[in-house]
This record gives sequence, C-alpha cells and structure tokens, in this order.
Amino acid sequence: LAKTTQPISMDSYEGQEVNITCSHNNIATNDYITWYQQFPSQGPRFIIQGYKTKVTNEVASLFIPADRKSSTLSLPRVSLSDTAVYYCLVGERGFKTIFGAGTRLFVKA
Amino acid sequence: DAGVTQSPTHLIKTRGQQVTLRCSPKSGHDTVSWYQQALGQGPQFIFQYYEEEERQRGNFPDRFSGHQFPNYSSELNVNALLLGDSALYLCASSFWPSSTGELFFGEGSRLTVL
Repeated sequence: LAKTTQPISMDSYEGQEVNITCSHNNIATNDYITWYQQFPSQGPRFIIQGYKTKVTNEVASLFIPADRKSSTLSLPRVSLSDTAVYYCLVGERGFKTIFGAGTRLFVKA
Repeated sequence: DAGVTQSPTHLIKTRGQQVTLRCSPKSGHDTVSWYQQALGQGPQFIFQYYEEEERQRGNFPDRFSGHQFPNYSSELNVNALLLGDSALYLCASSFWPSSTGELFFGEGSRLTVL
C-alpha cells in the first residue's frame, strides 16, 4: 500500500480557497487517490476520488499531475463549517482502505 | 434511506471485560468494515466482512473478532479489554465489489476502558 504524506495542520480564513497537497511517491498503477473529510465525533465522509488529471464535484476539486506522485485537494471559498480533518488515501478501489493521520484544517472568521 | 447505524453510541467497560459492538449497513450494501480510531489519530483498519466471512484484516490481535449476519449486519467483539482499547470504533459499509471503493461510515461507538 502506498504511503501518503500530508501536512499535519493548516489554517485559513472564510472565503479563501484552500489547497491541501498529499505526497504518494510509490503509488502503484492500480491505485486511486481518495479524500475523506471527518468532523469531531463523526465517521469520515467521502469527498472525491481520482486516478489522473483533474476531477471536480460539487464540493471540491482534485488535481493529479501526470506522474501521480502527489495530489492536491482544492476547497473553494471555505466556510467555518469546513473546519475538519482531511484524509488522503491511496490504494486499489475495494481493497482495504487505509487512513493516515490526516490534515487538520482550521477555518477562521 | 437509513445510513449506517451503530450501537451502542457510548459504553464504559473495565479491563479484562469483553465488549460487543453492532453495525447495520446502509441499505443495499453487503460489505462491512470496522475501524478503530484513537483520540487524535486516523482510523485504523481492523477487518472487513463480506458474505459472512472475514475477507481482509489489519494488524490487530486475535482479541478482535467479528461476525456478519445473513442480513449483512455485523458485530465487532473485543475480548480481554486493555486500557489501550479505548477508542471510537467506526463501522463502514460498501458494495462488493465496489466500483469506487467509497465507504459510508456510521457515527461510531465510543468505548472507554477503565
């Protein structure tokens, strides 16, 4: 399973765009990149998944360069309610999903 | 459409006791995974059940065991509880096979071992 490295914490202000980068140098051919969000005392929630290039949904964008050794989760115009822990996961879809320590995002007014 | 439900939400046990946690998957899902999340840490994979069999297992001792029932619900059992077993235990459900691997999590059962 590919190991991921992401910042321990980040601060932002309401209305700003937040980019969280995840490093996964030994990603395998069959691996996908998935991001989850977790609020305190709740289970993680799937945000977005991608294999290469760019993926966008109603809440976030995921940018993956051609070498796939890193990825960036982009949250547009964050609000206080986006304060949470964000996890970057790399692995085969359907295989055991392994979480790292995540990035604690704190959005300030 | 009910999501993943877990019970109990909170419980307190003493060292050496045994505990059983329960999970009902999201409607239509047939696969259940269990995770342990210590305070300030990411969720750690315990095991996954499909067709009433353990399919994948993380690095947890045999004190952690599980079961899946014909209706896809699942139980997590922990024997001989240690103080270090205090954590939030999360259940996640999905399809098998999953086209995306997306997991749907419950809100967890918070276990405190005294």
